[in-house]
Amino acid sequence: QQQVKQSPQSLIVQKGGISIINCAYENTAFDYFPWYQQFPGKGPALLIAIRPDVSEKKEGRFTISFNKSAKQFSLHIMDSQPGDSATYFCAAGRKGGYQKVTFGTGTKLQVIP
Amino acid sequence: ETGVTQSPTHLIKTRGQQVTLRCSSQSGHNTVSWYQQALGQGPQFIFQYYREEENGRGNFPPRFSGLQFPNYSSELNVNALELDDSALYLCASSSLASNEQFFGPGTRLTVL
Repeated sequence: QQQVKQSPQSLIVQKGGISIINCAYENTAFDYFPWYQQFPGKGPALLIAIRPDVSEKKEGRFTISFNKSAKQFSLHIMDSQPGDSATYFCAAGRKGGYQKVTFGTGTKLQVIP
Repeated sequence: ETGVTQSPTHLIKTRGQQVTLRCSSQSGHNTVSWYQQALGQGPQFIFQYYREEENGRGNFPPRFSGLQFPNYSSELNVNALELDDSALYLCASSSLASNEQFFGPGTRLTVL
């Protein structure tokens, strides 16, 4: 059962442009929404995360927007750079019991010069 | 501060064999989770260990098993390997008080 849906599957953005990746979740028990960046041959690296009590979080060029009523959240990468070319995963997790992070299917981002 | 490390980096096995993968958690972390990442897919949760006991399990059969040691390092064991077990196996460590998980570089397992 796919609990976190991610789109688009791939994305090509010109250098300096804005990259936008969208995710939707089903389980309202989720209360932690991280984004991971993964380069080929490497493990996912935590990029930025948000909790549902805020609608937006910004760290440098990376911004998460969160819409609790729509059960959607998105990652915006401002001023995209070729070094941002990687696969990005949204995820959702919840406290209590045990920690488990449910990942989306990933978005392969390519930033072209 | 040492990050999460995994060994080996790559491994090739044949169908029916058994494999053991190892993970050393990040300093200060007492919880280890294992994920399977098939090519082109997101990581899928296998199970989590806390205080040397399995603390939660995803939709994986019992031939996937694990251990956590007093120093919080961990092993993932897979018996009776199948072709579909070919994947990148990721270990992530965290403290139980936080959702934040930090991943190792993974072990690439190929089953022939």
